[in-house]
Amino acid sequence: GAVVSQHPSWVICKSGTSVKIECRSLDFQATTMFWYRQFPKQSLMLMATSNEGSKATYEQGVEKDKFLINHASLTLSTLTVTSAHPEDSSFYICSAQPGQASYNEQFFGPGTRLTVL
Amino acid sequence: QQQVKQSPQSLIVQKGGIPIINCAYENTAFDYFPWYQQFPGKGPALLIAIRPDVSEKKEGRFTISFNKSAKQFSLHIMDSQPGDSATYFCAARQGAQKLVFGQGTRLTINP
Repeated sequence: GAVVSQHPSWVICKSGTSVKIECRSLDFQATTMFWYRQFPKQSLMLMATSNEGSKATYEQGVEKDKFLINHASLTLSTLTVTSAHPEDSSFYICSAQPGQASYNEQFFGPGTRLTVL
Repeated sequence: QQQVKQSPQSLIVQKGGIPIINCAYENTAFDYFPWYQQFPGKGPALLIAIRPDVSEKKEGRFTISFNKSAKQFSLHIMDSQPGDSATYFCAARQGAQKLVFGQGTRLTINP
């Protein structure tokens, strides 16, 4: 149980285009979903936290107009990188948490590799 | 105060050895300390987690030791195997707040 999927697993796009990444919790309802980015040989950097039906909370320094997050249902969150540029190339990972209790685990997706040419 | 400091940055151990990865924190309100394993090109996977009311937790070959007074916790991998070669991240969380990750340790187990 507790499987989180991401789609696509990798994407290559041209500079200036927008890219949408989907994150789904397959066998549980995710009250909260998180979006991270990870550069090579670095730790995970939290970009934003989203709760179903409400606006995402972005971490300091993350452009909310560039990284649009929608958490429309308890099993789906999307991250849209708008007007992507080469510096947005990274590994994007989502995680999902069933409920907000402190003992609730976060389950991570397999990640999406974004390359912007 | 929200930082979690992880060491070493990289570690090479012979098969069968016991790699030990250490993490230290400052925020005494942290109440959940997980360890994640990440293979190249994959998302992190939860290995084992501990809460501050216990000093040790063992799951299979993985053991967390927790020292509340020193504000440190560590991961031990018994009888390490080449398949354990991965990057390991410690993390900490206060209540329902976000996870704070350590910097990661690249572990290599030589055959």
